Amino acid sequence: KNEVEQSPQNLTAQEGEFITINCSYSVGISALHWLQQHPGGGIVSLFMLSSGKKKHGRLIATINIQEKHSSLHITASHPRDSAVYICAVRRGTDKLIFGTGTRLQVFP
Amino acid sequence: GAGVSQSPSNKVTEKGKDVELRCDPISGHTALYWYRQSLGQGLEFLIYFQGNSAPDKSGLPSDRFSAERTGGSVSTLTIQRTQQEDSAVYLCASSAGQGREGNTIYFGEGSWLTVV
Repeated sequence: KNEVEQSPQNLTAQEGEFITINCSYSVGISALHWLQQHPGGGIVSLFMLSSGKKKHGRLIATINIQEKHSSLHITASHPRDSAVYICAVRRGTDKLIFGTGTRLQVFP
Repeated sequence: GAGVSQSPSNKVTEKGKDVELRCDPISGHTALYWYRQSLGQGLEFLIYFQGNSAPDKSGLPSDRFSAERTGGSVSTLTIQRTQQEDSAVYLCASSAGQGREGNTIYFGEGSWLTVV
């Protein structure tokens, strides 16, 4: 079993829909990252959080440390949000352990 | 520099040859990471540097893989006697320090390696 599990693996949505991507992990962590990987391969860090909730524009990330669960929400989704979203957890050595990613396609 | 810089961006090499991949992290970043991503696969950790030392080499897939970092800055990932299964994009990332809140990780564009 992977230490970091994401769901769903694939997600399609119509423009404007509210989207939720989930991440569960089974190890102790110091922080959790949400990353966005575009088709060209470039990776951008969206959020790093260790508690509570963070918001940036239309993106919201939450984490529940007790339940070892995080969610990434996208409000008013847009085709340019189409990408692979990756959850990664940081452990003691600062090594990141990655989920397998969620491929999101938003259609106009 | 402004971001994490990797070179070469693309490399095609013959099976059995050695390759070197270079990463220039963001100036002042003490933590440097190498990951790889094979086609259609997730990201795989290779090695982590804190300064010039590598406290975690657990992800290196075989003894054909080695990495070094000099001057707390540039890192080189070397793959000896390349095999076709080494074909992947090799990603470098850096962050400002160790485990502190607010240490965002920054990724380079990757070095796409194809072994033929």
